[in-house]
This record gives sequence, C-alpha cells and structure tokens, in this order.
Amino acid sequence: QVQLQESGPGLVKPSGTLSLTCTVSGGSITTTNWWSWVRQSPGKGLEWIGDVYYTGTTNYSPSLKSRVTMSVDTSKNQFSLMLASVTAADTAFYYCARDSMDSYWYFDLWGRGTLVSVSS
Amino acid sequence: EIVLTQSPGTLSLSPGERATLSCRASQSVSNRYLAWYQHKPGQAPRVVIYGASSRAAGIPDRFSGSGSGTDFTLTISRLEPEDFAVYFCQQYSSSVWTFGQGTKVEIK
Repeated sequence: QVQLQESGPGLVKPSGTLSLTCTVSGGSITTTNWWSWVRQSPGKGLEWIGDVYYTGTTNYSPSLKSRVTMSVDTSKNQFSLMLASVTAADTAFYYCARDSMDSYWYFDLWGRGTLVSVSS
Repeated sequence: EIVLTQSPGTLSLSPGERATLSCRASQSVSNRYLAWYQHKPGQAPRVVIYGASSRAAGIPDRFSGSGSGTDFTLTISRLEPEDFAVYFCQQYSSSVWTFGQGTKVEIK
C-alpha cells in the first residue's frame, strides 16, 4: 500500500532554511491527489502549511506564505518543503499527508512525522 | 480563513462512558469538507470521520459524526482504552485547510 516518509535535518539554525522531503512509496505521486505538509508545535494543534500538485501548482497557508516554497520531483516520487527565516517558533513535528479530494475532501494518508528543532 | 474552535479542550472520562466533542466554525462549512482525526503521541494522525458523518475504513461504529453549517459533533458512544487520544476537526475552503486546536480525551 502507499506510504509516506518524511526526511531531513532534525536541527536548523535560527534565520536558516528548513528543508524536508516526503517520499511516496507503493504508488505514484502523479495522481489526482494533492500533497500536503502539516506541522504541530509543542503543546499546540495541527497547522496546515500548504499543498502541492504533481504539476508543481501550490497553495500555501496565508500565515506562512511569505516563507514557504513547495516542489515536486516526479522522477523520485517525492515532494518537498522549504521554510525560510526560521525561528524557535518553527520548532515542530512536521508531517506530510495525501489530500483525498474526490467526493469528500480530507487527508487519507499521513507520514509518521519528523521533529525539527530550531536552535543555535 | 475559516477558524475552527473545538470544545472542550480536555475531556476526562472513564472507559465505557460517552464522549461528545464539539467543533464550531467561524463561517459555514460544506459537509463534504469536514473531517475528524485521531492523534496519538508518536503516531501519524488518522482520519476517523470524513464528510462530517462517514466513518473511515476500519473505524468502529462507536464513532459517529453529525452536524452541518457551523456546528459539528464527534461522538464516541462507549470509550474503549484505545480511544484515549487527541481529536482534531478539519475543514477546507477557498484552497486553504484549517484545523481546530484539538480536544484531548483522557482517562479519568
């Protein structure tokens, strides 16, 4: 079955750029699904960061839009997140997820998440 | 952007009791775009209800969802030990997804 796996550095310095990749295994990224990034800061709820289609079309959260870039590499079956100018407030578990956008819209598949800490 | 407000923040209940979780939206939400997720520490979130009232695959029938417009409810009829977790509601509108802040269902 299709699985998602996040990867990337667990520690990023303040003012640096956070970079994560989500690898899609057991299926193709070039489907009718969109692919999302979601984060959860310590003690807080889930926050949607944005999503990307396999063509490269993106949607971003209004609150993070100025710092976020998402992309897709169809040859590697991966999609990626870059978050610039990070601060301690960006310390969080980061999850990738698949948007199911058929008759009903929701996230039907998630990765297990990866912890990214912002610290010098 | 539609804001989702969940209540209560924490529910302290015993196994076998009924849990009623509320999700209120700042604007009307289409039922097609309203989902509930269960999240346990160290695990990926998983969908329990989509389309406001449809149970996801593998979710037991003690879980039910209801509501429309701006008020939605997730009910767990008889809590089992594995149900103690944090539950989030989620909606989609105008190319933006938003989540509620979560309700923690804890063992009393």
